[in-house]
Amino acid sequence: EDQVTQSPEALRLQEGESSSLNCSYTVSGLRGLFWYRQDPGKGPEFLFTLYSAGEEKEKERLKATLTKKESFLHITAPKPEDSATYLCAVQARGYSTLTFGKGTMLLVSP
Amino acid sequence: KAGVTQTPRYLIKTRGQQVTLSCSPISGHRSVSWYQQTPGQGLQFLFEYFSETQRNKGNFPGRFSGRQFSNSRSEMNVSTLELGDSALYLCASSLGRQVGNTEAFFGQGTRLTVV
Repeated sequence: EDQVTQSPEALRLQEGESSSLNCSYTVSGLRGLFWYRQDPGKGPEFLFTLYSAGEEKEKERLKATLTKKESFLHITAPKPEDSATYLCAVQARGYSTLTFGKGTMLLVSP
Repeated sequence: KAGVTQTPRYLIKTRGQQVTLSCSPISGHRSVSWYQQTPGQGLQFLFEYFSETQRNKGNFPGRFSGRQFSNSRSEMNVSTLELGDSALYLCASSLGRQVGNTEAFFGQGTRLTVV
């Protein structure tokens, strides 16, 4: 059974204080690992897809990396508008289903 | 390019009633998946439709059902509502030409409250 564990559950940062979110996974043949951002009361917003170990992707202050067992979402010099819940999901080869972690709730204070 | 549209945004229903939720995918997308999101369980997969056929189904009781129309719009139905069905129901669309081939884009969700 595919499993995704995200840590920490919640993270509070000061504006400009860089940090990383972790996503550990077990999957029977990884097709892709996905990062989403979710604001309260809204649907998840797609951020990145990573397909193979060693791959990295960047978008503004966010950078996602992937190893064979985990992914990190690095947030550089965050701003209050980066406050949201960040969700990680895996997709196994041959399947369309996404298995999600429970997310990391990030709060960035001015 | 319009995103995924879910209607209605909010619903309040009474235990025992049934409810139908609607999802219009991104134009050109043929795969529609449904997820239930609750504070305790997070996002859990309900089912996926591709070209009007159910391609995958999650571990939910038979009270949860869905269908997809020829224009790729999808509906999900929950019969005999229970208090535990209160959740945010999310629809995601993808191109879906091949199984597991493309990213999924989510709608804003339907917030269902069962009283």
